[in-house]
Amino acid sequence: EIVMTQSPATLSVSPGERATLSCRASQSVSSNLAWYQQKPGQAPRLLIYGASTRATGIPARFSGSGSGAEFTLTISSLQSEDFAVYYCQQYNNWPGTFGQGTKVEIK
Amino acid sequence: QLQLQESGPGLLKPSETLSLTCTVSGGSISSSSYYWGWIRQPPGKGLEWIASIYYSGITYYNPSLKSRVVISVDTSKNQFSLKLSSVTAADTAVYYCARLVNLNDPLSWFDPWGQGTLVTVSS
Repeated sequence: EIVMTQSPATLSVSPGERATLSCRASQSVSSNLAWYQQKPGQAPRLLIYGASTRATGIPARFSGSGSGAEFTLTISSLQSEDFAVYYCQQYNNWPGTFGQGTKVEIK
Repeated sequence: QLQLQESGPGLLKPSETLSLTCTVSGGSISSSSYYWGWIRQPPGKGLEWIASIYYSGITYYNPSLKSRVVISVDTSKNQFSLKLSSVTAADTAVYYCARLVNLNDPLSWFDPWGQGTLVTVSS
């Protein structure tokens, strides 16, 4: 099973600042990586798939990059609604696995 | 707009069998070429993929749960279901159903998701 490791566990950012979240796979997953946003009491919401393709309706301030085993989610200018937990998920090898999440909190 | 809704008992005793159903609306399970899946999230923890199923009944299970899990589909009701046997407190979680996006691919990203249902295992 591929282990996905996200860092940092918590990221404190001021509104309007840039947030950079990392996701590392224990082996290459090519570009088969997705990012989700989850707010308290809600289901995860798809942000990015294919490592860098934004899902329908996702604002351009969200961008994904990377391939192989190292990936990054960047939120260019944090808005109040962006404070949440973010998960990465690999779908290259069965079973697909998720990272443990990065919480983006208000600084 | 495709929507998914989980349903089932919210409280179980240890050793019982968890049974959940996901009802799909806004689209037909049988006329599409998607896989459908179950994911769970223990309170305050991360996400775990449980199983996936194709409309034809082809199934994939997470090896960590395979011995206790059965996923099934009922195209006449536009539903798919999850059964997890011999539950313990460690199975307490929010259980989500979701669609896998890539056509004909059991390994994909999920979208959309149901709202989730909390299942608590306690004596």
